[in-house]
Amino acid sequence: GAGVSQSPSNKVTEKGKDVELRCDPISGHTALYWYRQSLGQGLEFLIYFQGNSAPDKSGLPSDRFSAERTGGSVSTLTIQRTQQEDSAVYLCASSLIGLAGGTSYEQYFGPGTRLTVT
Amino acid sequence: AQSVAQPEDQVNVAEGNPLTVKCTYSVSGNPYLFWYVQYPNRGLQFLLKYITGDNLVKGSYGFEAEFNKSQTSFHLKKPSALVSDSALYFCAVRDKGTYKYIFGTGTRLKVLA
Repeated sequence: GAGVSQSPSNKVTEKGKDVELRCDPISGHTALYWYRQSLGQGLEFLIYFQGNSAPDKSGLPSDRFSAERTGGSVSTLTIQRTQQEDSAVYLCASSLIGLAGGTSYEQYFGPGTRLTVT
Repeated sequence: AQSVAQPEDQVNVAEGNPLTVKCTYSVSGNPYLFWYVQYPNRGLQFLLKYITGDNLVKGSYGFEAEFNKSQTSFHLKKPSALVSDSALYFCAVRDKGTYKYIFGTGTRLKVLA
């Protein structure tokens, strides 16, 4: 079956512009996560969505960052007024969390979007 | 607060030799532990997990990991390394009471031919 997909794969933008990054999770996965990975660094948690619950936004680095998930499926991460320090690879992941059991816990990652702010 | 540590930035091992990539954790309660691998220019791939049960868990590509509660460790191992195992490895732990995960800083494994 199809895995997690992300678009675009690469994005170059000028400082101060807004960008939107898209994530399409595995069908049926209830949880969706966004992470940021700077060059050669670990993963920085940004936000996660689980079903109809309010998202956990505790990792968003500033109010320039926001994300939404429409219809429990596709998610968009928006960065407003981009700064050079926003340059990184943005990874999306999904997992299956079953309210009545069947939770698998492991995450399935997309290939990422490489964002470069010039 | 929950945390996970990977004390080695890089591990070098000769092809055919056993490899170990270290991970220690700090959580309250029973930990849910994971290993992921990232090949160059690709996303992370799940390798294995410990949720409960047998302390030795086996995963993809011949990897295994041993959960050691007394040492709060979850080291990744493979009996015989391949050059193709060269990649970036991440240990992760589930944040208690949530479905949020905390990742280590990663260990770069280099297998030398």
